[in-house]
Amino acid sequence: QVQLVESGGGLVKPGESLRLSCAASGFTFSDHYMTWVRQAPGKGLEWLSYISSSGPYTNYADSVKGRFTISRDNAKKSLYLQMNSLRAEDTAVYYCAREAQSAYYIDYWGQGTLVTVSS
Amino acid sequence: IVLTQSPATLSLSPGETATLSCRASQSVSGYLAWYQQKPGRAPRLLIYGASSRAAGIPARFSGSGSGTDFTLTISSLEPEDFAVYFCLQRRTGGTFGQGTKLEIK
Repeated sequence: QVQLVESGGGLVKPGESLRLSCAASGFTFSDHYMTWVRQAPGKGLEWLSYISSSGPYTNYADSVKGRFTISRDNAKKSLYLQMNSLRAEDTAVYYCAREAQSAYYIDYWGQGTLVTVSS
Repeated sequence: IVLTQSPATLSLSPGETATLSCRASQSVSGYLAWYQQKPGRAPRLLIYGASSRAAGIPARFSGSGSGTDFTLTISSLEPEDFAVYFCLQRRTGGTFGQGTKLEIK
């Protein structure tokens, strides 16, 4: 079965960096676009970024463009999100998500990892 | 692209029909999906391509619309349907609507 397991969340200070990872299993990782989505406490979902199946194409929400970088390692079946210059408003649960093959929607989600940015 | 969901909160009783709206600021063609989220849980895919039900989703969930106006209809509400619902467009980048909370009246 499809599994997406995020890791790397935690408490950091404003201005610091953090790298999130997502380990995928149960499907052919290299066939799928992958996405990061976040959810601030008590708020709605915010789409952050996607990366194409082989990695050359990426897209970012304006709120994180220039600060966050999405990447993947298909050999390791892993997705990453490098987050720099973190702000208090980046505090959220970060979800790794899979897009359906050759389609434009998320079909599976991880359980999320909490990132807290506070001094 | 901005997605606007309405209403923000919908209060209904089990057995009633819920009609949720998602309006896009510009056409997203059929690249619109709906998700259900319960507290402390990851979202679950309900509808993709505006009107196709995901695997394992009960037939009481249906989606319609194209272009800029979309609707999620849940007929004969069951107790487990009370949750928050989000729409997502992937026509250009990605955007979620702000959500509709479906609560028990």
